[in-house]
Amino acid sequence: AQKVTQAQTEISVVEKEDVTLDCVYETRDTTYYLFWYKQPPSGELVFLIRRNSFDEQNEISGRYSWNFQKSTSSFNFTITASQVVDSAVYFCALSGNTGNQFYFGTGTSLTVIP
Amino acid sequence: EPEVTQTPSHQVTQMGQEVILRCVPISNHLYFYWYRQILGQKVEFLVSFYNNEISEKSEIFDDQFSVERPDGSNFTLKIRSTKLEDSAMYFCASLQSGTGKEQYFGPGTRLTVT
Repeated sequence: AQKVTQAQTEISVVEKEDVTLDCVYETRDTTYYLFWYKQPPSGELVFLIRRNSFDEQNEISGRYSWNFQKSTSSFNFTITASQVVDSAVYFCALSGNTGNQFYFGTGTSLTVIP
Repeated sequence: EPEVTQTPSHQVTQMGQEVILRCVPISNHLYFYWYRQILGQKVEFLVSFYNNEISEKSEIFDDQFSVERPDGSNFTLKIRSTKLEDSAMYFCASLQSGTGKEQYFGPGTRLTVT
């Protein structure tokens, strides 16, 4: 069974602070794919990043970075120097090697206070 | 940049009525999906569609639901007899090809059943 857990339901930080959003996943597939999506208050789902299970390299994109650790089944997302525009709900998602459906976590609502 | 579009943005209907939610996926994409998000909850997979047929469906996607690609561009979700619990945001997504690639989501249709 595929499962994604985002234990943090809500996080508030003051602008310019760093914040890490946690994502833990479960899968029996040997090949799988992990994603982060952002859902701003307007409601759309915006793709942020994809990671393959065989690529454990961490990635940095501007103020965003991702830490993928197979040993702990985690795919955490860090925003450095947070900004008010980062306020949104962030979803972690998983897809396996058969079929393409996404399994989403329950999301973490991030509020960045000016 | 190509994007997935959905109409209407908001639909209000009475219990027992039929609704059709419309989506126009990105033009060269081959896989199409419907997800729903009950207010404040996670995004849940409903159905995937490829090569003019359903490839996967979830337990949520019962006989009240159907999908269709009536022409070369539209992808529709029909709910035959709406229930109060069908009230949710419905997202359409499309994927160009391949396993484990990011899906591109439309802006969603908010369905309110009264």
